[in-house]
Amino acid sequence: DAGVIQSPRHEVTEMGQEVTLRCKPISGHDYLFWYRQTMMRGLELLIYFNNNVPIDDSGMPEDRFSAKMPNASFSTLKIQPSEPRDSAVYFCASSFPRKNTEAFFGQGTRLTVV
Amino acid sequence: AQSVTQLDSQVPVFEEAPVELRCNYSSSVSVYLFWYVQYPNQGLQLLLKYLSGSTLVKGINGFEAEFNKSQTSFHLRKPSVHISDTAEYFCAVSFSNDYKLSFGAGTTVTVRA
Repeated sequence: DAGVIQSPRHEVTEMGQEVTLRCKPISGHDYLFWYRQTMMRGLELLIYFNNNVPIDDSGMPEDRFSAKMPNASFSTLKIQPSEPRDSAVYFCASSFPRKNTEAFFGQGTRLTVV
Repeated sequence: AQSVTQLDSQVPVFEEAPVELRCNYSSSVSVYLFWYVQYPNQGLQLLLKYLSGSTLVKGINGFEAEFNKSQTSFHLRKPSVHISDTAEYFCAVSFSNDYKLSFGAGTTVTVRA
């Protein structure tokens, strides 16, 4: 398996623009997590899905953030409108707890909002 | 609520010296414990995990960790580090019925020759 695949790896956008981050989980995994990593706040869980259904979105910072999982092999995290304080590395991770309790992480998307 | 505290933000160490990274957690129920490593500009990679059973857990790259329930700790150790072990290390916890991971703030290990 190719692992968790995220795109793009790097994104530079202007304040006010819409940004969409994409994630393809490992095939067969039924949990998907979105994390944000910053120097100030470390790794924060934004939202996670089980069987494509959002379970806990309490970590989503504002209404500007939204996440979807239309099917088992694809998820998006959207920021609209983007702000400079959204600059961070966003990680997607997936897991199949009945086999492996750990989460497998993608390479991340480094977002810079100028 | 569960939480994870990594007691050291930065650990400088000389090559071939031992290293210990400290992790404490708080939880009133059983937990699963993990150590992840993050190399520069990469994602997180699992080093080892504790689910149950033996309290001494061995992982990849010569790392091991010991679960201590009475002290609610899960410290990571390596007897002899290499330059290539320079990275950030994260301790994480999850409940058995809630598979989301909560991470500590991370410990940056810098190995010098």
